[in-house]
Amino acid sequence: DAGVIQSPRHEVTEMGQEVTLRCKPISGHNSLFWYRQTMMRGLELLIYFNNNVPIDDSGMPEDRFSAKMPNASFSTLKIQPSEPRDSAVYFCASSLMQGIHEQYFGPGTRLTVT
Amino acid sequence: QQPVQSPQAVILREGEDAVINCSSSKALYSVHWYRQKHGEAPVFLMILLKGGEQKGHEKISASFNEKKQQSSLYLTASQLSYSGTYFCGTEGHSSASKIIFGSGTRLSIRP
Repeated sequence: DAGVIQSPRHEVTEMGQEVTLRCKPISGHNSLFWYRQTMMRGLELLIYFNNNVPIDDSGMPEDRFSAKMPNASFSTLKIQPSEPRDSAVYFCASSLMQGIHEQYFGPGTRLTVT
Repeated sequence: QQPVQSPQAVILREGEDAVINCSSSKALYSVHWYRQKHGEAPVFLMILLKGGEQKGHEKISASFNEKKQQSSLYLTASQLSYSGTYFCGTEGHSSASKIIFGSGTRLSIRP
């Protein structure tokens, strides 16, 4: 299996622009997670899905952030408009089920907003 | 609530042992341990479920004390490859609960 696939790997954009991050989970996994990692705040869970349904989005920082999972093999995290404080590494992870199973992390997308 | 990890950082010489602690202020259902090397994604090490179990993989093991809401990760005879940041993640008792990660413990191994 190719593992969790994320794109792009690096994104540099200007403040105010829309940013879309993409994730393909491991085939057969039912849970998908979006995390943000910064030096100051560590590894934060933004939102997670079970069977394509958003379960908990309490970690989404603001209305500027939105996430979708239209099918079992694809998810997006969108930031509109982006701000410099959104600069971070965004990880997508998937697991067979939420909680009792290990999460497999993708390589991450390093986002820089100038 | 984010679990508290200690120490925040530790430096060892190759072959020495280390213990990383993780504590929570709420009742736990499970504890997860991950290791992240610089510039890479976190990688799963082990999950411990309630019941005070211990698990181990080679020279890395962990314990979970449900009553104290604590878990410890033990690294024995550390190797250079053990360097990285170790995160514990805790899950509460709700069936829909999420895993909350601690702030991490940075482990550096010197030859």
